[in-house]
Amino acid sequence: GAGVSQSPRYKVTKRGQDVALRCDPISGHVSLYWYRQALGQGPEFLTYFNYEAQQDKSGLPNDRFSAERPEGSISTLTIQRTEQRDSAMYRCASSTTGLEQFFGPGTRLTVL
Amino acid sequence: AQSVTQLDSQVPVFEEAPVELRCNYSSSVSVYLFWYVQYPNQGLQLLLKYLSGSTLVESINGFEAEFNKSQTSFHLRKPSVHISDTAEYFCAVSDQRSGGSNYKLTFGKGTLLTVNP
Repeated sequence: GAGVSQSPRYKVTKRGQDVALRCDPISGHVSLYWYRQALGQGPEFLTYFNYEAQQDKSGLPNDRFSAERPEGSISTLTIQRTEQRDSAMYRCASSTTGLEQFFGPGTRLTVL
Repeated sequence: AQSVTQLDSQVPVFEEAPVELRCNYSSSVSVYLFWYVQYPNQGLQLLLKYLSGSTLVESINGFEAEFNKSQTSFHLRKPSVHISDTAEYFCAVSDQRSGGSNYKLTFGKGTLLTVNP
C-alpha cells in the first residue's frame, strides 16, 4: 500500500505569513508524530497523536505552532506568523505500535 | 532527558572496506535503540532496531549493530560496503517506559557515509 505522504513537498513563504503542512499517514496507523529537522541536525520531536487525541505537544517550540488530527487520520501542522528561524524540513511519521515509525518524504519550509 | 551522540559527522570509505558508525546515548531510563537511513532525495527508513533479547541485531542488507549497556553504545557496522550504501545514517532512542504508545524518538545529528569506488 501507499506510504506516508506529505504536502506540499516544498513551501516558500514570506515572514509573517501562516503556513499549513499536511500529513497523510499509512491507513490504519493510529500513532502519528511530527518532527522538525534543521540543516545538519537530526530530527527533533514536535508532537504526537494517538488517533485524534494530541497526547504530547511538549516539543512544539512556542504557541505559533499547532497541530490537529480531527478524524484520526490526516494531520495538519500549522505555523502562524512564520519567522526565518522556522525554516527547516518538517517530517511526519506514522506507526501501529509506535516502535517502528514510517516517515514521509518531508516538507521543506523556507521562510524569506 | 535523553541524548544521542554520533561522533562522526562524515565517514568516507572505499567500496568493499569495512565501516563502523558510532553511536552513544545518555538516558536515565531504559531505552529502545534504532538506526535510520536516509538515501539521497528520500525519506528516513528504519534500518534496524534493538528492543530486547539478543544484543546483536542485523538488517537485511548486511548491517549489524550491537547494544552495549555498560558503554551505552549502539554502533553500526558492515564488513564490506557498497556504493549503494552511500547515505546519511541516524541513531535514535526511545524511552521504554513511555506510558501508552508514545515512543517519540530522540535522534543524533547523523553520519554521512560516502562510499567511493
